[in-house]
Amino acid sequence: NAGVMQNPRHLVRRRGQEARLRCSPMKGHSHVYWYRQLPEEGLKFMVYLQKENIIDESGMPKERFSAEFPKEGPSILRIQQVVRGDSAAYFCASSMTGVGTEAFFGQGTRLTVV
Amino acid sequence: DQQVKQNSPSLSVQEGRISILNCDYTNSMFDYFLWYKKYPAEGPTFLISISSIKDKNEDGRFTVFLNKSAKHLSLHIVPSQPGDSAVYFCAASELSNDYKLSFGAGTTVTVRA
Repeated sequence: NAGVMQNPRHLVRRRGQEARLRCSPMKGHSHVYWYRQLPEEGLKFMVYLQKENIIDESGMPKERFSAEFPKEGPSILRIQQVVRGDSAAYFCASSMTGVGTEAFFGQGTRLTVV
Repeated sequence: DQQVKQNSPSLSVQEGRISILNCDYTNSMFDYFLWYKKYPAEGPTFLISISSIKDKNEDGRFTVFLNKSAKHLSLHIVPSQPGDSAVYFCAASELSNDYKLSFGAGTTVTVRA
């Protein structure tokens, strides 16, 4: 799982600011998944993307959150106008193909909203 | 709603003994189950999985047991080693959408020398 790179590792934002979390998948992987872990809880699925396509965003909050995975460059999870409740660890995972393969997780970005 | 539950937040075990971690799920549509291991400041690492057509899967020191009628699975680690000290997450999904994992809250295992 060392191959999935997330940055920054820690991010502090004031309420109302924007947070941008980046994820570079493992080499050769074209499928990316974002998960969020709130304190004292398990990881929760947010969104599944392939290059330039959102496949399933059923776990994403309807407002303020967006994700993209452009043809070139990392996947970005963007949170606008952050609130304290957005404080969590955000994990990205990638896989070579989609359904039916094991996904590898990155080290996560810990977002703290003050 | 918490579809996957790990009711024991922590477990302490002597080195060389067996560690047994338990997990319950509520969604009868789940047919694919996984265990992940997580060290501090790292992402979860896949450990072992089992599909609903089996009731046991073994990989070295790790064995996962599935009881579909009870909606219960367990992970056995034997013998436990100090390097096994970590947080263990149980996860479940439908095989047709196996990227959409539902995770338990985790069990912290401490292996005592």
